[in-house]
Amino acid sequence: SQTIHQWPATLVQPVGSPLSLECTVEGTSNPNLYWYRQAAGRGLQLLFYSVGIGQISSEVPQNLSASRPQDRQFILSSKKLLLSDSGFYLCAWTRTGGSEQFFGPGTRLTVL
Amino acid sequence: GESVGLHLPTLSVQEGDNSIINCAYSNSASDYFIWYKQESGKGPQFIIDIRSNMDKRQGQRVTVLLNKTVKHLSLQIAATQPGDSAVYFCAENGETSYDKVIFGPGTSLSVIP
Repeated sequence: SQTIHQWPATLVQPVGSPLSLECTVEGTSNPNLYWYRQAAGRGLQLLFYSVGIGQISSEVPQNLSASRPQDRQFILSSKKLLLSDSGFYLCAWTRTGGSEQFFGPGTRLTVL
Repeated sequence: GESVGLHLPTLSVQEGDNSIINCAYSNSASDYFIWYKQESGKGPQFIIDIRSNMDKRQGQRVTVLLNKTVKHLSLQIAATQPGDSAVYFCAENGETSYDKVIFGPGTSLSVIP
């Protein structure tokens, strides 16, 4: 069976500090991978998606970046966090050609 | 476009009543739709899906209706229970990529015991 992991589960960071959130998928090959952000009480905002190693598409210009160094690993990064980066970050995967998304448990980021 | 900056609409339902959650989708070319349930502090989970060649699909206590004429999707929950309290998102497969799904703004369902 397939599983998706995210860590850390929660994170509190000062403004201006760097960020690295990791997502890994097990039990499948060549998944499509996605990063979403969800502000409190709001919907899902697609940040990045990837259809393969080293292939990243950005949906929203911002101070975040994403990388996919391995087939089943997706990393969300920032060099300098802003207060507005606070939120609930969700990683998801789909099978190639599939639309049903499987979500990870999420990382709650608070920037102070 | 996305409504991620808006506060979620809310729906309050008495326990045991039926719930109807509505969603308007944007792309008439979308051919696959999904409803997700997100409990507090967790990632969204798949509930039910429907393809554009269908008008209705039923699951356990849930029914999805699709009206392509007006680009409207609804989720009906029968005999709503406290455990149904969550945020519900509709999603459509996007126009620019077969593999990219576009989420609606979500509806927060509260079940009154």
